[in-house]
Amino acid sequence: KQEVTQIPAALSVPEGENLVLNCSFTDSAIYNLQWFRQDPGKGLTSLLLIQSSQREQTSGRLNASLDKSSGRSTLYIAASQPGDSATYLCAVLDMNYGGATNKLIFGTGTLLAVQP
Amino acid sequence: SAVISQKPSRDICQRGTSLTIQCQVDSQVTMMFWYRQQPGQSLTLIATANQGSEATYESGFVIDKFPISRPNLTFSTLTVSNMSPEDSSIYLCSVSRGVGGSYNEQFFGPGTRLTVL
Repeated sequence: KQEVTQIPAALSVPEGENLVLNCSFTDSAIYNLQWFRQDPGKGLTSLLLIQSSQREQTSGRLNASLDKSSGRSTLYIAASQPGDSATYLCAVLDMNYGGATNKLIFGTGTLLAVQP
Repeated sequence: SAVISQKPSRDICQRGTSLTIQCQVDSQVTMMFWYRQQPGQSLTLIATANQGSEATYESGFVIDKFPISRPNLTFSTLTVSNMSPEDSSIYLCSVSRGVGGSYNEQFFGPGTRLTVL
């Protein structure tokens, strides 16, 4: 059964620092991986989708990479700002679990605090 | 992308009552999902809402407790029945346009924050 883990669980950095969030998954048979942002008490905002055939995706200051063979994805945030403070979640669309159903398997999340 | 709205955005309810949450999408979508996020936890899928058929529930969730409607391709409701304080959570609606495939992206609504006293 697919398991998704995110490390660290919480991270605090000073403004302007570049940072990396990690996501690991146990089964490499995935269709894609999505990174989401969640502000406290709110819904999820999709940040980046990486298809299984892709190695990375970029959007503004965000860059996400995917290494399917090792079961890892990273989200790189450049020049962090206080407005980046949120919980970041990764989720995989597993070929066995979600292939015909689009059911995502979520990681546990990383709570990011960017100090001004 | 898809623009998703949920009503209500938050509510405080009494034990034993029921609450119906609405999810509206700005365009037709194939699949709609309902998730629960308990305090400090990640998301747990409650059910997949299928248009024109019964919802498909995940293990641990039953129709009597969480009845779902999907009358058309842009709208769904989730009812939380006979509520207890353990039902206090954020309830989230999400959608995807196709089925399977690496290009399928999911989008989420703003959530409904429910507190049961």
